[in-house]
Amino acid sequence: SAVISQKPSRDICQRGTSLTIQCQVDSQVTMMFWYRQQPGQSLTLIATANQGSEATYESGFVIDKFPISRPNLTFSTLTVSNMSPEDSSIYLCSVAAGDGPQHFGDGTRLSIL
Amino acid sequence: KQEVTQIPAALSVPEGENLVLNCSFTDSAIYNLQWFRQDPGKGLTSLLLIQSSQREQTSGRLNASLDKSSGRSTLYIAASQPGDSATYLCAVRPRRIGETSGSRLTFGEGTQLTVNP
Repeated sequence: SAVISQKPSRDICQRGTSLTIQCQVDSQVTMMFWYRQQPGQSLTLIATANQGSEATYESGFVIDKFPISRPNLTFSTLTVSNMSPEDSSIYLCSVAAGDGPQHFGDGTRLSIL
Repeated sequence: KQEVTQIPAALSVPEGENLVLNCSFTDSAIYNLQWFRQDPGKGLTSLLLIQSSQREQTSGRLNASLDKSSGRSTLYIAASQPGDSATYLCAVRPRRIGETSGSRLTFGEGTQLTVNP
């Protein structure tokens, strides 16, 4: 299965700042996704990162708040912009292809002061 | 809209016990179902993937079954160990990845398992 590396693993940020999270996969993958897991809750899909084009966002998530890049088939970034305490969550990168299982990185634990 | 429910929300058992975790989903038109494990503060580890045409999958001490018509899946853990302590999540996919935009996973809330030595 694909090995997924996320950076940073955790961060503490000030209100109003932005943070970019990186996701690197050790092989080319068709689909890359970004999820959010708020404290004590299950996972919510933020968007699908599309290679060479704009990401596809789920209801309730917008590009201005969560800009995403995917320059190639092994790398993507998620930026959390103008952060507030409500953005404190674990952000997870995930990859999948065809009929196979979906795999996740270790996540980025983000705390906003 | 697909909804996934996991029962129980939490479970505490003594080491060595066999146990069953339950997952139910409201829309039986799924493509596959996946069980994950999540350790505190960590990402998700894929345990088992069951395609809609399959009835069960096994990996070591884990066995997952799927009854698509009734909207249910179970994860059976044999001879539980303290290292099995984690949150277990099930997720369903409605379509093959990449075929349409509606192929995203829908997750349950998870079952938090504690296995006591």
